Amino acid sequence: ETGVTQTPRHLVMGMTNKKSLKCEQHLGHNAMYWYKQSAKKPLELMFVYSLEERVENNSVPSRFSPECPNSSHLFLHLHTLQPEDSALYLCASSQDRGQGYTFGSGTRLTVV
Amino acid sequence: KNEVEQSPQNLTAQEGEFITINCSYSVGISALHWLQQHPGGGIVSLFMLSSGKKKHGRLIATINIQEKHSSLHITASHPRDSAVYICAVYTGGNQFYFGTGTSLTVIP
Repeated sequence: ETGVTQTPRHLVMGMTNKKSLKCEQHLGHNAMYWYKQSAKKPLELMFVYSLEERVENNSVPSRFSPECPNSSHLFLHLHTLQPEDSALYLCASSQDRGQGYTFGSGTRLTVV
Repeated sequence: KNEVEQSPQNLTAQEGEFITINCSYSVGISALHWLQQHPGGGIVSLFMLSSGKKKHGRLIATINIQEKHSSLHITASHPRDSAVYICAVYTGGNQFYFGTGTSLTVIP
């Protein structure tokens, strides 16, 4: 256990479903991140929250909607996804941006 | 072309062998990270370095800023070292660039 917990570990959803991914950290970190990892591709940064404010949105489609209700929790709300959205979604946190990242174990998402 | 290139993409070694994984990058960086990803998906940060060399157990990471190159070495490799090793460079702000990873398999 790294200190960053992601749930669920695996998720299969239809294209019309709505689901949410959850990330939780109790490391006292100030920044939290969502990454997407597709097969044979580098990690892609999706969203960054610093002190609960979104500071980065890397041209992510609106069918992905992040929420950071407090500094310990981060959600990724999913709706009307496409099969190409199937990937491993990783949450990470850090004390400061670019410093000492801690990753969660990821949610393996399959869109059918 | 990716800003971060790793080699080799795949590596198979016998237990006990000395292993080197290379990372070259084309952007100016504040720091370089080596990450380890196990088959279950979880990622562990191994090193963060901005100059010189760092050592942790059997792992050694070096960086040459002038040549924009870093290496990760594993001495006396063991099957539990089998994982994907990812090089990531941090350029400041929120900008990280990641390599596609090197998949290492250590055979007993």
